[in-house]
Amino acid sequence: EPEVTQTPSHQVTQMGQEVILRCVPISNHLYFYWYRQILGQKVEFLVSFYNNEISEKSEIFDDQFSVERPDGSNFTLKIRSTKLEDSAMYFCASSVPSGANVLTFGAGSRLTVL
Amino acid sequence: AQSVAQPEDQVNVAEGNPLTVKCTYSVSGNPYLFWYVQYPNRGLQFLLKYITGDNLVKGSYGFEAEFNKSQTSFHLKKPSALVSDSALYFCAVRDGRSGGYQKVTFGTGTKLQVIP
Repeated sequence: EPEVTQTPSHQVTQMGQEVILRCVPISNHLYFYWYRQILGQKVEFLVSFYNNEISEKSEIFDDQFSVERPDGSNFTLKIRSTKLEDSAMYFCASSVPSGANVLTFGAGSRLTVL
Repeated sequence: AQSVAQPEDQVNVAEGNPLTVKCTYSVSGNPYLFWYVQYPNRGLQFLLKYITGDNLVKGSYGFEAEFNKSQTSFHLKKPSALVSDSALYFCAVRDGRSGGYQKVTFGTGTKLQVIP
């Protein structure tokens, strides 16, 4: 069964450093998303991406965040200057271009900011 | 704006008993409703969805959910719980009027504990 793959599974970084989280969505999916989950609790929407541009973003997704689909395969989330409160599990998801919008999630990338 | 409420942080049920995990939603247009399950250290997995049609929808692993428009609810149910059902369950909603690329909003999650 097709999977959304995410790397790295766990990254530890110092506050103020840049981090790039990578995702390979399912090949025939056209909609891409990043969500985050802090301490195994609420799953928070960050951003959705379609047709090579951001479709929607939340208030969390401020100027320190950016997304990119550099090569038609990978979908990346960049955090320019990490803060302690950015520590979370970051999930990439993708979906097919249909009305149902069932999201397929990756296993997540755990980010720890020290 | 759209939102989801899961009023119970945790639900405990004995193995073999029926289970219900509650969810209510708020959305401007027609709701697209979903249930996802998360096992420890894993991503969310899709269980079932409601878009239109029959109010009772069936999904994976014997789960089902009932859409109630008047009560704006979408409770998850299973006739007979298994220990392996123990996990974190998330209800989610999207405004059916919006494009497929628009966000899906998740609830805070309910931890289901099935006691042997």
